[in-house]
Amino acid sequence: GAVVSQHPSRVICKSGTSVKIECRSLDFQATTMFWYRQFPKQSLMLMATSNEGSKATYEQGVEKDKFLINHASLTLSTLTVTSAHPEDSSFYICSLRDRGWEQYFGPGTRLTVT
Amino acid sequence: LAKTTQPISMDSYEGQEVNITCSHNNIATNDYITWYQQFPSQGPRFIIQGYKTKVTNEVASLFIPADRKSSTLSLPRVSLSDTAVYYCLVSPTGTASKLTFGTGTRLQVTL
Repeated sequence: GAVVSQHPSRVICKSGTSVKIECRSLDFQATTMFWYRQFPKQSLMLMATSNEGSKATYEQGVEKDKFLINHASLTLSTLTVTSAHPEDSSFYICSLRDRGWEQYFGPGTRLTVT
Repeated sequence: LAKTTQPISMDSYEGQEVNITCSHNNIATNDYITWYQQFPSQGPRFIIQGYKTKVTNEVASLFIPADRKSSTLSLPRVSLSDTAVYYCLVSPTGTASKLTFGTGTRLQVTL
């Protein structure tokens, strides 16, 4: 199955700064990747669908200008949290689906905004 | 997307069989049922998937009745390491098919 990595695994940033999170597919060329956010003790919430070579599709209520997604290659999607605030502190997880039916998730990135 | 309903939490002793039932009344004809396991601060991990009847792999079994409006994940002889959150999802196959997570079931296994 596909192997998905994320970098960094955890990051601490100051309020007002921007943070970029990378999601890489190590052994599969993914035209579509997904970004989720998970707050403590809560379920995963889909933020957006990342499409290679085109604009991402955002879920309702997710600010596209705040959460910038770039899917410039078939193995890399990035999520940039712009002007981060403490309420953006969360666990961010990416995933992809290969040609089969299984969805593979990255290990997640813990973002803490101080 | 079909909505799923699961118990919020379950407790079990080590060595017991655990059955977690998920309700998905609005499942579509082309939807598959998939279960994921998530440990704290990790991404979800695939457990098992099925369309109808029974599916078994090395870690779990999945029972799906004929009407497909529910499914039951069965974990045989759980151990402490099975303490996690278990999510039931329904979605069609396809690389662009997104998954919508429900609340999940928090399973606590104790000695």
